[in-house]
Amino acid sequence: QVQLVQSGAEMKKPGSSVKVSCTGSGDAFSNYFINWVRQAPGQGLEWMGGILPIYAVVKDAQKFRGRVSITTDESTSTVYMELRSLRPDDTAVYYCARDVRRSTFAYGFDHWGQGTLIAVSA
Amino acid sequence: VLTQSPGTLSLSPGERATLSCRASQSVSTTYLAWYQQKPGQAPRLLIYGASNRATGIPDRFSGSGSGTDFTLTITRVEREDVAVYFCQQCTSSQVTFGQGTKLQIK
Repeated sequence: QVQLVQSGAEMKKPGSSVKVSCTGSGDAFSNYFINWVRQAPGQGLEWMGGILPIYAVVKDAQKFRGRVSITTDESTSTVYMELRSLRPDDTAVYYCARDVRRSTFAYGFDHWGQGTLIAVSA
Repeated sequence: VLTQSPGTLSLSPGERATLSCRASQSVSTTYLAWYQQKPGQAPRLLIYGASNRATGIPDRFSGSGSGTDFTLTITRVEREDVAVYFCQQCTSSQVTFGQGTKLQIK
């Protein structure tokens, strides 16, 4: 069974950084794009970027370019998303989500992590 | 940009739901997906490739469309279908979501 398990909730100060992890099980991980999607309270979904762990190919959203880093550690089947220069409007639930088919990008995200709440406040 | 309509849909059990997703530029059907999100839960993939049901999705959910106009149809809504529905597209390696349609059951 495919599972994506994320790190826990964090409270951050404006201007700081946060690094969220997403650990996958077995084949669920290396050969699939793992994406990051966030959702501010009461708002819609916003894609931030994704990575194909086996080749470390990264695709990122123009909005977050320069502020987000998406990396992978294949030895632990973990993908990381680091967001820098945090602002209060970065307060959101951050999800990792796996692409539905191997080695394809953005066909659809069929497995999601449980979500990680990041709260940014002075 | 993806624009979903209506913003809210209120139906009785057994009625047909038609949700629209309109793109500002043409989208390949390969890159059009639909999700259901219930309160407090992560989104659930319903449809990918515009018309392919994801694993475990009942056949009363169907997707159609091409170009700039796409539709999610629920043939007979049930109380468990109360949720917000999002469409998603990818163009030039940039993924965007629609703002969502809220489905209410009378």
